[in-house]
Amino acid sequence: DAGVTQSPTHLIKTRGQQVTLRCSPKSGHDTVSWYQQALGQGPQFIFQYYEEEERQRGNFPDRFSGHQFPNYSSELNVNALLLGDSALYLCASSLATGVGETQYFGPGTRLLVL
Amino acid sequence: GNSVTQMEGPVTLSEEAFLTINCTYTATGYPSPFWYVQYPGEGLQLLLKATKADDKGSNKGFEATYRKETTSFHLEKGSVQVSDSAVYFCALTGVIGGTSYGKLTFGQGTILTVHP
Repeated sequence: DAGVTQSPTHLIKTRGQQVTLRCSPKSGHDTVSWYQQALGQGPQFIFQYYEEEERQRGNFPDRFSGHQFPNYSSELNVNALLLGDSALYLCASSLATGVGETQYFGPGTRLLVL
Repeated sequence: GNSVTQMEGPVTLSEEAFLTINCTYTATGYPSPFWYVQYPGEGLQLLLKATKADDKGSNKGFEATYRKETTSFHLEKGSVQVSDSAVYFCALTGVIGGTSYGKLTFGQGTILTVHP
């Protein structure tokens, strides 16, 4: 049973460019959350998708957008990249059954903005 | 919103030493605490969790008890190994404003290094 997968593993972009990161959830999971982890910090919640809708969002600007597909996979898009967007982007999947439900994380995509 | 405060690191121990990493939180509603571990170059792995007050989560020799009265979820291990060297994150989900969406709020992480 495959866990959460993310692509690409690494990415280098320049300021002002746009980037799309992809995530496939663990089999049987219907909810995908995205987190940004800056170097030496804990992950920060970006947003969560369920039934193809964004149902909760953290304190991130509108440059960060996402999508969930009918097969529950998800994309994170970041427009007009800034140097400060350099981070590890983590995707997590879970079942939408309650607060104590475990989120399973993928290996992450490391984004470097030059 | 929720906030999580972890014991500042880094923590350096000798093999077989006792480990405690403190975690306290502020939250509204009914939080559920977790401990995640991140090995070098990898994503986060669930280490253990609790779902109600006084629950004890345990895994791989690690334990943590969810104490609502002290709003804490401290991580302990009786005898650490070199392979336990990693970054440990305390995290919390909860109900805010009557709505539960499972957003995780993380502490800043504690780097643990275990020497032979």
